[in-house]
Amino acid sequence: KAGVTQTPRYLIKTRGQQVTLSCSPISGHRSVSWYQQTPGQGLQFLFEYFSETQRNKGNFPGRFSGRQFSNSRSEMNVSTLELGDSALYLCASSLAWGQETQYFGPGTRLLVL
Amino acid sequence: SQQGEEDPQALSIQEGENATMNCSYKTSINNLQWYRQNSGRGLVHLILIRSNEREKHSGRLRVTLDTSKKSSSLLITASRAADTASYFCATDGNYGGATNKLIFGTGTLLAVQP
Repeated sequence: KAGVTQTPRYLIKTRGQQVTLSCSPISGHRSVSWYQQTPGQGLQFLFEYFSETQRNKGNFPGRFSGRQFSNSRSEMNVSTLELGDSALYLCASSLAWGQETQYFGPGTRLLVL
Repeated sequence: SQQGEEDPQALSIQEGENATMNCSYKTSINNLQWYRQNSGRGLVHLILIRSNEREKHSGRLRVTLDTSKKSSSLLITASRAADTASYFCATDGNYGGATNKLIFGTGTLLAVQP
């Protein structure tokens, strides 16, 4: 069974631009969560989706948004990029909402110049 | 902010030795998990221990949980060079409703010298 896939793997943007990251969960998994990882703040929860609905959101500004499609694929969008948004963005999937074990993708490394 | 603090921040050992990492957390939990991350890549799930369990084994991994002290430890026995990675503990924060949200610790960087 294929694992969680994330595209693109690497991305370079400039301040003020916007970016969309994509995550395809493991086949059959219906829940997707997103995390941001930076050297300073570590791993921080962004949001989680189940059945196309956002179930929980972390403490991030409104510039960070996401959605989930009917096939469980998810996208996250960051508008008006800031230098501090440079990070590794990780997506995780699990069978259902409230399922404890999550399976992570390889991440998208975003660099904002 | 992160809930977990891990100790030590970095650990260097020789192949064949045992490695022990500790994690402390702040609030009550339903379960605690350990993940491994190789060189800035995705996280790999290692083991989950529930709040009513005290010890769990998986291959060369042994995890203990002390809810009275709000702490957990991960022991890797007979370490190999391939175990070189960052190790994170993650808790669920004992939310009232269902959630997949994880709160991660700061991580321990383990270097196993061949």
